[in-house]
This record gives sequence, C-alpha cells and structure tokens, in this order.
Amino acid sequence: NAGVTQTPKFQVLKTGQSMTLQCAQDMNHNSMYWYRQDPGMGLRLIYYSASEGTTDKGEVPNGYNVSRLNKREFSLRLESAAPSQTSVYFCASSEARGGQGAYGYTFGSGTRLTVV
Amino acid sequence: KNQVEQSPQSLIILEGKNCTLQCNYTVSPFSNLRWYKQDTGRGPVSLTIMTFSENTKSNGRYTATLDADTKQSSLHITASQLSDSASYICVADAGNMLTFGGGTRLMVKP
Repeated sequence: NAGVTQTPKFQVLKTGQSMTLQCAQDMNHNSMYWYRQDPGMGLRLIYYSASEGTTDKGEVPNGYNVSRLNKREFSLRLESAAPSQTSVYFCASSEARGGQGAYGYTFGSGTRLTVV
Repeated sequence: KNQVEQSPQSLIILEGKNCTLQCNYTVSPFSNLRWYKQDTGRGPVSLTIMTFSENTKSNGRYTATLDADTKQSSLHITASQLSDSASYICVADAGNMLTFGGGTRLMVKP
C-alpha cells in the first residue's frame, strides 16, 4: 500500500546513545515532517522539509538533526539521547509547497522510543 | 501563540449512540480546520478538512462543523460502532503549519 513507512517501530536507547529514525514516502510528495507525540499533548513539529534540499526547524528542534536524503526519504537523528526524548515519533508527508491550501497529510505508524 | 483545545478529554458511549466532540482554536492566520482519527498504536488518519468558507463537511457517519467567527469546531459521530474507539484530534492549519489539539479519547462499549 502507498504511504509513509517508518523504521524502526520500537527502540530503547541508553542516555547518550545516538540513533537515526528513517522515513520514506512513495506518493511523490514535496513536503515531509517529523513530529513527536507525548501523553496528553498534541503532536509537535520537530523539523520539516518543504522540498528536496531544504530543511527548517519546527517548534521543538533542540537535540535533533534531520536530513532530506532525496524526495522520498527524510531521516531524524538523535545525536545524544536524553530521557526527555522518550516519545512517539511520527513522520508525515504532504503535497504542500508552502503557503495556503488544504493539502492532505499522510502519517506513518510511528516509532516508539524509550530513553533510559 | 497558536493553540487548539479539545473537550472532553475522554468519553465513553454505548454502541449505536451519537456523540459530539468539541474544538476551540486560536490560530493566525487561519487557513483550514482538520479532524483526524488516531487508532491506538497508529498514526493519525484524516477525516475532514474544512476551509474558512465551509461550515460543514461529512465523511460517512462523521460530520464536522466550523464556525470561523467564534473559532469553534465540532465533530459529530452518528450511530457509533466499536471501531470508532480511538482518539480524535482537531488540527488548525495556518498556511500548512499545523497546530494539534491534545485529542478526545473515545471508547465505544457494546
């Protein structure tokens, strides 16, 4: 099925370890996003890429880096994991090119990350 | 600061009953209002998208309303089914920058 694929689905890290979350979409969407979801809170934007070759910070970028490898793939890296980064991470993609417009967003199934 | 608040936080209803979920938003500039359904352990899935000029939109048993003057939206679920058990998330879009509400967790019991 077409959509957004995230790997891994689950991960446990020790404080200070690093890891990369992978995301790929096969809908030829221009824009890709990384969100985190914490209990009782709405999804918050970490980083986004409006088009291949560009990335921008979202609401909560500290402690993360991203790479838009090509139009399909957008990865999120934790260089030195901290317990505060325990969360569920969602990747999404959209046809949006910026500006106004009711573009649809497609979300992946999420990566559940625990930092101990 | 852009904000989206939803009520109630959780709701239990019997199968076959109707329910209405509420959303208040403060977003500028306002582009559109979205409702998503999120099953446990899954990503959000779009139910409806309404621009500021639309005041109602349906998707099967789901009907969303929007009052852009009072900055309020609601999601009405008709004849609930067990599969409607999920979190329902209201999202305000300010030019393709989304602000998410914390969601309403709905449980439908037989």
